[in-house]
Amino acid sequence: KAGVTQTPRYLIKTRGQQVTLSCSPISGHRSVSWYQQTPGQGLQFLFEYFSETQRNKGNFPGRFSGRQFSNSRSEMNVSTLELGDSALYLCASSPTGLYGYTFGSGTRLTVV
Amino acid sequence: GESVGLHLPTLSVQEGDNSIINCAYSNSASDYFIWYKQESGKGPQFIIDIRSNMDKRQGQRVTVLLNKTVKHLSLQIAATQPGDSAVYFCAATSGSRLTFGEGTQLTVNP
Repeated sequence: KAGVTQTPRYLIKTRGQQVTLSCSPISGHRSVSWYQQTPGQGLQFLFEYFSETQRNKGNFPGRFSGRQFSNSRSEMNVSTLELGDSALYLCASSPTGLYGYTFGSGTRLTVV
Repeated sequence: GESVGLHLPTLSVQEGDNSIINCAYSNSASDYFIWYKQESGKGPQFIIDIRSNMDKRQGQRVTVLLNKTVKHLSLQIAATQPGDSAVYFCAATSGSRLTFGEGTQLTVNP
């Protein structure tokens, strides 16, 4: 079966711009969570959505937001980009959000 | 809050040796633990998981050991191969959130 698909794979944006990343989960998975990976901070939890509702949120500023659609696809948005937002953004899908997390290949965001 | 740590940032082994990667977690309420492998340019790849009601689980060439008393888990890789070279992360759940350790870079020397 198809895995977790993240688009785009690479993105270059300028400070102050906003960006939207997309994640298509494994068919049948209702939970999608997002993580930021940087060399300095490692993998940090952003938020998790289940059945179109944000169920869990990490310690990131309000510039980071997300949503989930009725088909379980999810998007995350970062507004007013800062240089420090440069990172690999990963999404993981899970049947229920409590086990069986499968990660996508990530979107590499570079802010210049 | 929850924290998950690994004891060594790097580990170098000879091909054919067994590898052991360690991890400590802080939240005694964590009930599900996962080991991931991440190769350059890719997302984390599931290796093996274990629930808190178990203390050992085996997969193909991999074994995870969980010691809840000292909040420690380890990943053992048997007969390590060059293709095992990657960064290994442990993760612990807290509800629907995964908390990751910092990662161990495993290098397998031929």
